[in-house]
Amino acid sequence: NAGVTQTPKFRVLKTGQSMTLLCAQDMNHEYMYWYRQDPGMGLRLIHYSVGEGTTAKGEVPDGYNVSRLKKQNFLLGLESAAPSQTSVYFCASSYQGQSNQPQHFGDGTRLSIL
Amino acid sequence: DQQVKQNSPSLSVQEGRISILNCDYTNSMFDYFLWYKKYPAEGPTFLISISSIKDKNEDGRFTVFLNKSAKHLSLHIVPSQPGDSAVYFCAASVWGGNMLTFGGGTRLMVKP
Repeated sequence: NAGVTQTPKFRVLKTGQSMTLLCAQDMNHEYMYWYRQDPGMGLRLIHYSVGEGTTAKGEVPDGYNVSRLKKQNFLLGLESAAPSQTSVYFCASSYQGQSNQPQHFGDGTRLSIL
Repeated sequence: DQQVKQNSPSLSVQEGRISILNCDYTNSMFDYFLWYKKYPAEGPTFLISISSIKDKNEDGRFTVFLNKSAKHLSLHIVPSQPGDSAVYFCAASVWGGNMLTFGGGTRLMVKP
């Protein structure tokens, strides 16, 4: 039972490069989320999706784009990477968006922008 | 301005003793609260939750207390075990909302 899988686990980029982080879940969850974790800041929501074909902005959406073309996949894109986007990125999913449905997290992608 | 704060970045306790992790919030609209546990190189995992209609929720060694008037919640772990050593995040949400707001985390170290 894979749960939530994030690809890649590590990546180093140069400023201005672009990349896409992939999140896949096999739990048939409707809701998916992208967070970033920075020291002392906890997890901050970047974007989320309430179902296939939908996306919405979270707390810190600037510099990121997302797509949910298939229910099981949620992609996070950086069009022009900046050093401020150096962080650990976590994807999560939940059956519903109501807060009493705990989110299931992947193991993270560590991204460094030089 | 952080709406959910965990003011202690780290906590060290002896095995077998009680661990108390604290969390404060400022948004009075929050009415559902969760604790997540995170080991290094892994994603957070859900631990326990509480809604604002309760002031206590217990699950085995873990108990969460909510003081709405003080906008404060705490997680008690009794007895603490070395395997409990991890980073603990509290999170808050408006009931029925799609977004969780996380605190900065507290690193718990349980010494054998």
